[in-house]
Amino acid sequence: DQQVKQNSPSLSVQEGRISILNCDYTNSMFDYFLWYKKYPAEGPTFLISISSIKDKNEDGRFTVFLNKSAKHLSLHIVPSQPGDSAVYFCAARAVFSGGYNKLIFGAGTRLAVHP
Amino acid sequence: NAGVTQTPKFQVLKTGQSMTLQCAQDMNHNSMYWYRQDPGMGLRLIYYSASEGTTDKGEVPNGYNVSRLNKREFSLRLESAAPSQTSVYFCASSGQIEQYFGPGTRLTVT
Repeated sequence: DQQVKQNSPSLSVQEGRISILNCDYTNSMFDYFLWYKKYPAEGPTFLISISSIKDKNEDGRFTVFLNKSAKHLSLHIVPSQPGDSAVYFCAARAVFSGGYNKLIFGAGTRLAVHP
Repeated sequence: NAGVTQTPKFQVLKTGQSMTLQCAQDMNHNSMYWYRQDPGMGLRLIYYSASEGTTDKGEVPNGYNVSRLNKREFSLRLESAAPSQTSVYFCASSGQIEQYFGPGTRLTVT
């Protein structure tokens, strides 16, 4: 069963508008949620994270919102730029004794920002 | 400071051949990971190494073996490649919160 779900495989947004990418999770034990951005032929790069005890984290044009009761998080990009066109992965972090952690990824959402 | 490096970038194998994917990180991280990415499935964990000298299975370990050679290096071996192992493979190492990924190896098994 998928513990992290991104139900929208793709999203198209006009340049300058807001992009909203969504993610749902099932396990309440995750301590952090992360967003990664991936361009073709490159590895995923870390974008922004949020602790499970917060409900919002902002970094420049990127804001992540966490709704724990709904087990839902979203990434807002404002304003969207053509360079934001990429695949965005949502990930949830589980920590284990010994201090190591695992990330569980959603399937990704392909964002296209057009002029 | 190169972060996480992987070799090779591309590889084509015939069914039954073997190969080793190499990964190294220069961030002094304890934990390292191998993932595969297939269309529509996100990244799935193959094996991980919580610290030097330890390795454990992830979500999809069948057909793979790993070696944590030292703190920097973590290799992934396919002993007898199968077409189902055609994928893009990513190595990662773990910082305080996030994981840092290498550029990936695109493997095709014919």
